[in-house]
Amino acid sequence: DTGVSQNPRHKITKRGQNVTFRCDPISEHNRLYWYRQTLGQGPEFLTYFQNEAQLEKSRLLSDRFSAERPKGSFSTLEIQRTEQGDSAMYLCASSLNWVVGNTIYFGEGSWLTVV
Amino acid sequence: DAKTTQPNSMESNEEEPVHLPCNHSTISGTDYIHWYRQLPSQGPEYVIHGLTSNVNNRMASLAIAEDRKSSTLILHRATLRDAAVYYCILSYTGTASKLTFGTGTRLQVTL
Repeated sequence: DTGVSQNPRHKITKRGQNVTFRCDPISEHNRLYWYRQTLGQGPEFLTYFQNEAQLEKSRLLSDRFSAERPKGSFSTLEIQRTEQGDSAMYLCASSLNWVVGNTIYFGEGSWLTVV
Repeated sequence: DAKTTQPNSMESNEEEPVHLPCNHSTISGTDYIHWYRQLPSQGPEYVIHGLTSNVNNRMASLAIAEDRKSSTLILHRATLRDAAVYYCILSYTGTASKLTFGTGTRLQVTL
């Protein structure tokens, strides 16, 4: 069990550029979640997948954000035309099918700084 | 989602017990109580969860009030490594599939 892996861990980009983050969940975990966290705040839910199906999206996920999980394994989160307000830590998490008490395992996050 | 209320911060001395409170007066009968913590520069990690009865695991204990409107996370002997933000979260047993985090309690542990 290697845990949830996120890449890159840090990204600095210029405003207006596109960025993509990758998440590799724990093997056989069929649920995958994306969260965003800014300084001093708790993580905010963005979206989640059940296998390859994207089942819920937060209103925080604007048109510039897109997430995919093409084969039900790894996932990517792309931000187009980045803005300074996108600077945050992007967290990925995974779990088995939701059984109450089933633990959600988080990665260490990908830090985005938009300059 | 039902809301939780936690103190912004707490302090503890090392090797002393810590009681982290959480109020959830609007909890429904099917809501589970989860605790996660987040160490500096890391993602959140699971601590413990429960429904009605008190729960113990290797990390902590969870004491749930009889009316379930509040709960307390108990760290029996705080260490410097327990310094983190602790989140109390409610989740439905039904269709809800995500955790909704608040701002949590920042625990400082001193020598």
